Amino acid sequence: AQTVTQSQPEMSVQEAETVTLSCTYDTSESDYYLFWYKQPPSRQMILVIRQEAYKQQNATENRFSVNFQKAAKSFSLKISDSQLGDAAMYFCAYRIRGETSGSRLTFGEGTQLTVNP
Amino acid sequence: NAGVTQTPKFQVLKTGQSMTLQCAQDMNHEYMSWYRQDPGMGLRLIHYSVGAGITDQGEVPNGYNVSRSTTEDFPLRLLSAAPSQTSVYFCASRRTFRSSYEQYFGPGTRLTVT
Repeated sequence: AQTVTQSQPEMSVQEAETVTLSCTYDTSESDYYLFWYKQPPSRQMILVIRQEAYKQQNATENRFSVNFQKAAKSFSLKISDSQLGDAAMYFCAYRIRGETSGSRLTFGEGTQLTVNP
Repeated sequence: NAGVTQTPKFQVLKTGQSMTLQCAQDMNHEYMSWYRQDPGMGLRLIHYSVGAGITDQGEVPNGYNVSRSTTEDFPLRLLSAAPSQTSVYFCASRRTFRSSYEQYFGPGTRLTVT
């Protein structure tokens, strides 16, 4: 079974600085997707960034970038120039590509990010 | 497009009561699913559907039923509520279950069972 682990229950960062959230996963599959979701106090789940495992290039979306290390099964999220609006719970998630048995997202436990002014 | 909508936003039930959480999407997505979110455990899949008339169990299906009579709607039924079902419930949909497309989540329903 696939598992996703976020070892940092809480993180904090000063506004305008950079923070990295860690995620590791365990799978025997070679073709899959990895995601970071943001959940602000409103509870809405918002996709931040997506990485296809077959792509060697790390995904980037504006101030958000990932460090994808396939061999190490590591998928960290870097937030640059942190803003107050980045404060939220962040979830790392995994999904097998082309799975026929439900294509479920497997989520980590979450990391609560606080941004200090 | 309204996206994925869920009703109600909040609900309190007594142990043994039954109820239905509603979920609808207007994006013509084939794939819909229900997750529950508990503190320290992320989101876990309850049931999913790959199209009208087709449903299957996820990771934590016990105590819940689903049906998918139309593409748009995917209700989740609690048969006999238990305190262990106190959670936040999310409905989600995606264009197809094989694609890399983004999964869209509803705003969630916070359920308390006393």
